[in-house]
Amino acid sequence: DAGVTQSPTHLIKTRGQQVTLRCSPKSGHDTVSWYQQALGQGPQFIFQYYEEEERQRGNFPDRFSGHQFPNYSSELNVNALLLGDSALYLCASSLWQTYSNQPQHFGDGTRLSIL
Amino acid sequence: AQTVTQSQPEMSVQEAETVTLSCTYDTSENNYYLFWYKQPPSRQMILVIRQEAYKQQNATENRFSVNFQKAAKSFSLKISDSQLGDTAMYFCAFQTSGSRLTFGEGTQLTVNP
Repeated sequence: DAGVTQSPTHLIKTRGQQVTLRCSPKSGHDTVSWYQQALGQGPQFIFQYYEEEERQRGNFPDRFSGHQFPNYSSELNVNALLLGDSALYLCASSLWQTYSNQPQHFGDGTRLSIL
Repeated sequence: AQTVTQSQPEMSVQEAETVTLSCTYDTSENNYYLFWYKQPPSRQMILVIRQEAYKQQNATENRFSVNFQKAAKSFSLKISDSQLGDTAMYFCAFQTSGSRLTFGEGTQLTVNP
């Protein structure tokens, strides 16, 4: 049973460029959340997708956008990259439930470096 | 807004000994869930233990247990019989409806042989 998979593992971009990160959820999961983890810090919630719609959003600018596909996989897009966007981007999947205690399952992350 | 605070940036323990990691949180919610995640250098966030706020009994998973004090908004993790493989960054996390997690800043735990 495959867990959460993310691609690519590592990416190097320059300021002003655009990037797309990809995530496939754990089998049976329908909800995908994205987190940004700066070096030495805890992950920060970016947004969450369920039924191909953005359901919740953290305190991130509109440069951060996403998409969820009918097979539940998801993409995170970041436009006009800034040096401060350098971070580990984590994808987590779960089952959609209100007041859910179902834990989120995380992928290995994509390390994004901005030069 | 919910906040999670881990006041110990780094801790170390000798192999086979017991260590406790601290976590406090702030929320106005009544129904929520608390988690401890472990992140080794491999980067993957691994669930260690979870606690439902409505349960008074503290959660236990093998060598890992929590001390959940709801009134004090405290949620500490105790690791017994520490092993070298426990060396990792540990994050306390808070979750309300909709599966949005709020993480603390983490505690780097080193287990020494």
